[in-house]
Amino acid sequence: RKEVEQDPGPFNVPEGATVAFNCTYSNSASQSFFWYRQDCRKEPKLLMSVYSSGNEDGRFTAQLNRASQYISLLIRDSKLSDSATYLCVVTLDSNYQLIWGAGTKLIIKP
Amino acid sequence: NAGVTQTPKFRILKIGQSMTLQCTQDMNHNYMYWYRQDPGMGLKLIYYSVGAGITDKGEVPNGYNVSRSTTEDFPLRLELAAPSQTSVYFCASSATSAGANVLTFGAGSRLTVL
Repeated sequence: RKEVEQDPGPFNVPEGATVAFNCTYSNSASQSFFWYRQDCRKEPKLLMSVYSSGNEDGRFTAQLNRASQYISLLIRDSKLSDSATYLCVVTLDSNYQLIWGAGTKLIIKP
Repeated sequence: NAGVTQTPKFRILKIGQSMTLQCTQDMNHNYMYWYRQDPGMGLKLIYYSVGAGITDKGEVPNGYNVSRSTTEDFPLRLELAAPSQTSVYFCASSATSAGANVLTFGAGSRLTVL
């Protein structure tokens, strides 16, 4: 089993719709969780952190379910500019131990 | 504010050739990292450094070498290029070891080994 698993997609979603995808992780000792966004042929950029209590940033909501070992990302009122690959990142307790998912590709259609 | 600068952006190598990917950051970050990203795969850590003169292996270090003579520069050396090293390479830096939320990435270097 991969340490961090994501559905590769693509998720094809009409503009204005709500879309959600999950990321599962295998190590119960995982400490921190993040969502990164990566545009085609560009570097990853931090989208948001995922806190135990869940957090929201505008149209984006991230949640953590420790019992089932997954995090989720919900995008409301999707825009064409939301088209990208969304990478899940999980950290263990050491400084550099970042485990990256392979990403979920999202395509927003007009 | 340049952030993290990587050169070259693209390079084609023949099997057995050597080359160095350059990475420079102007944020005075102590921590620097080299990742590779293969199609359909997550980023894999090659090497990292916690400060000038200190480097350590990541998850996939074989076939690569690094040095960190200054805070700003963290070059990645490929000694004998192999087709398996065809990938996109990202350099990143962070001020602290707090985790992914403080990583700043360079724009990437796309390497093809034929």
